[in-house]
Amino acid sequence: AQKVTQAQTEISVVEKEDVTLDCVYETRDTTYYLFWYKQPPSGELVFLIRRNSFDEQNEISGRYSWNFQKSTSSFNFTITASQVVDSAVYFCALSEPNTGNQFYFGTGTSLTVIP
Amino acid sequence: SQTIHQWPATLVQPVGSPLSLECTVEGTSNPNLYWYRQAAGRGLQLLFYSVGIGQISSEVPQNLSASRPQDRQFILSSKKLLLSDSGFYLCAWSVGQGFYNEQFFGPGTRLTVL
Repeated sequence: AQKVTQAQTEISVVEKEDVTLDCVYETRDTTYYLFWYKQPPSGELVFLIRRNSFDEQNEISGRYSWNFQKSTSSFNFTITASQVVDSAVYFCALSEPNTGNQFYFGTGTSLTVIP
Repeated sequence: SQTIHQWPATLVQPVGSPLSLECTVEGTSNPNLYWYRQAAGRGLQLLFYSVGIGQISSEVPQNLSASRPQDRQFILSSKKLLLSDSGFYLCAWSVGQGFYNEQFFGPGTRLTVL
């Protein structure tokens, strides 16, 4: 079973629109961590955020914000006023204890921001 | 600051040929090291990880192998490449023994097997 599901395969928005990327995870552990990464066309994955399972406060960093909801096992990512430079593939990942530092990545969402 | 290097950046190899991809990390000691493969499409598949010299864990059976001859060096190898080995190979590192630490990725190697 997929531990991290990113149901949106591809999204296109016009520049300056807001866009939300969905991430749903599955775990039996009460302690776990969630991550978001950005993969621009160059290919290198860029770390964006880490969130532990005990911290449900939403986080905002500039135009980026994250909504963590344990009740729905979701960790969604919103980009406000999107820009062309936001075009990339975005990955959500889950890390659990007792799995040897392994990350479970979703299949990614490809975001295209149209100028 | 820490940096991670991978080479080569791109590689085209015939089926049945050997493979050696190298990853090195600078600016940190005793990192955890990882090899991922991203096939055409986008999903990331963990191939190997290592928590120390000579310690390798394999996540999926395949014709690839990994070695860690030095603390900050991680090598991905194959004796005979298959067409299905084509993909984008990413090396990553993290520190600490916990599952809570973010992984940092290298620039990747794009491998095409013909």
